[in-house]
Amino acid sequence: SQKIEQNSEALNIQEGKTATLTCNYTNYSPAYLQWYRQDPGRGPVFLLLIRENEKEKRKERLKVTFDTTLKQSLFHITASQPADSATYLCALPTSGTYKYIFGTGTRLKVLA
Amino acid sequence: DVKVTQSSRYLVKRTGEKVFLECVQDMDHENMFWYRQDPGLGLRLIYFSYDVKMKEKGDIPEGYSVSREKKERFSLILESASTNQTSMYLCASSPTAGGPSEQYFGPGTRLTVT
Repeated sequence: SQKIEQNSEALNIQEGKTATLTCNYTNYSPAYLQWYRQDPGRGPVFLLLIRENEKEKRKERLKVTFDTTLKQSLFHITASQPADSATYLCALPTSGTYKYIFGTGTRLKVLA
Repeated sequence: DVKVTQSSRYLVKRTGEKVFLECVQDMDHENMFWYRQDPGLGLRLIYFSYDVKMKEKGDIPEGYSVSREKKERFSLILESASTNQTSMYLCASSPTAGGPSEQYFGPGTRLTVT
C-alpha cells in the first residue's frame, strides 16, 4: 500500500541555521507533492507544491526538492527563525482522485 | 483569502450522543474533506465530497456519516459517539482545478467523548 514516512523525532536547530526535513514515500509515483505547516491546535497551512518534472522549488526562505528516483522530497528552511517552529507535513495525491495522503509530520524547533 | 470555518473549536460529548460537526467554506470550492488527526497517526481521511450531495468514503469512515446539501457546507455526523472518536477533527476544501491544487483547512474541532 502507499506509504509516506517523515521523521517522527523532533528536529532542534539553532537560529540562523538551515533546517532540512525529509519525506520518503513507497509504492507510489505521485505527479506532485505538497508541504504544509501546522501550528499547535491549528489546521495545516499550505506552503509549497512541487511537480514531478521540477527538481527544485523556492519561496522566500523555503526550498523543496523532489527526487522521483529516490522517492524522496527534502524541505529546507534557510536562515531559520524561532517563528519557524512548527510541525511540517508532506502530502501526496492518490492517483486519479482529489484525495491526499499525509505524512505524520516532523516537529521543528528553532532555538534562539 | 479562502476561509474555512468550523462550528466549534472545542466540544465535549457523552458516549452514545449524536454529534454534528459543521464546516463552511466561502470560496465556492467543489471538493470538501473531513479528517481526524491523532498523535502518531497523522491526518486520516474520513469522508470526501466532490460535489453537492456526492460523497466518497475515505480511509476510516466507520462510525461516521456526512451530509452536503449545499456547496459551501459539509457536515460530519457521529451517529453514536464513542470514546475512541475523541480526536482533533479537521475540515478542508479545495477547488477542482485543471491541475494540482492545495487544500485549505479550517481551525479544527477538538472533540472529547466521555
